[in-house]
Amino acid sequence: GAVVSQHPSRVICKSGTSVKIECRSLDFQATTMFWYRQFPKKSLMLMATSNEGSKATYEQGVEKDKFLINHASLTLSTLTVTSAHPEDSSFYICSARPSTGSDTQYFGPGTRLTVL
Amino acid sequence: AQSVTQLDSHVSVSEGTPVLLRCNYSSSYSPSLFWYVQHPNKGLQLLLKYTSAATLVKGINGFEAEFKKSETSFHLTKPSAHMSDAAEYFCVVRVTGNQFYFGTGTSLTVIP
Repeated sequence: GAVVSQHPSRVICKSGTSVKIECRSLDFQATTMFWYRQFPKKSLMLMATSNEGSKATYEQGVEKDKFLINHASLTLSTLTVTSAHPEDSSFYICSARPSTGSDTQYFGPGTRLTVL
Repeated sequence: AQSVTQLDSHVSVSEGTPVLLRCNYSSSYSPSLFWYVQHPNKGLQLLLKYTSAATLVKGINGFEAEFKKSETSFHLTKPSAHMSDAAEYFCVVRVTGNQFYFGTGTSLTVIP
């Protein structure tokens, strides 16, 4: 149980284009989902917290207009990187907290974004 | 202030020998504590968690951790390392609500 999927697992795009990453909780409902960015050999950096049906809360320094987050249902959150640039290349990981009130985050397998 | 400190950025052990990955935390609240493992280019997998029940927590793959309030520690151990244990390990503290704090990670190398 408590499986989270991400799609795509890898994506390569040209500079200036937009990329959408999906995060799904497969066997549970998640009121809250988190989006992280991870640089090589580094810990996870929280980008934003999204709650179903409301606006995401972005961490300081994260551009909300560049990293659009939508959490339209209890099993799906999306992160759209708009007008991507090479410096946006990174490993993006989502996680989900069950709506049952569990304090555990369950993580997706990550998405490797490469911007050329 | 809340924080998590993983005392070793890198640990190297021989296969079959014990593993000890250290984690100290600072919290004004009664925290929930987690250990996650991350293999290369993968997401994080939950190993175990402490949520104010038994102080010795058993997890998957033979790992366990002991919550010691007096020492504000939550060290991860395994009696005998396996080659497949080589990965990055993260200690995470949940303080309240959606406030989670991540350690900087410990890279475990297992020598055959």
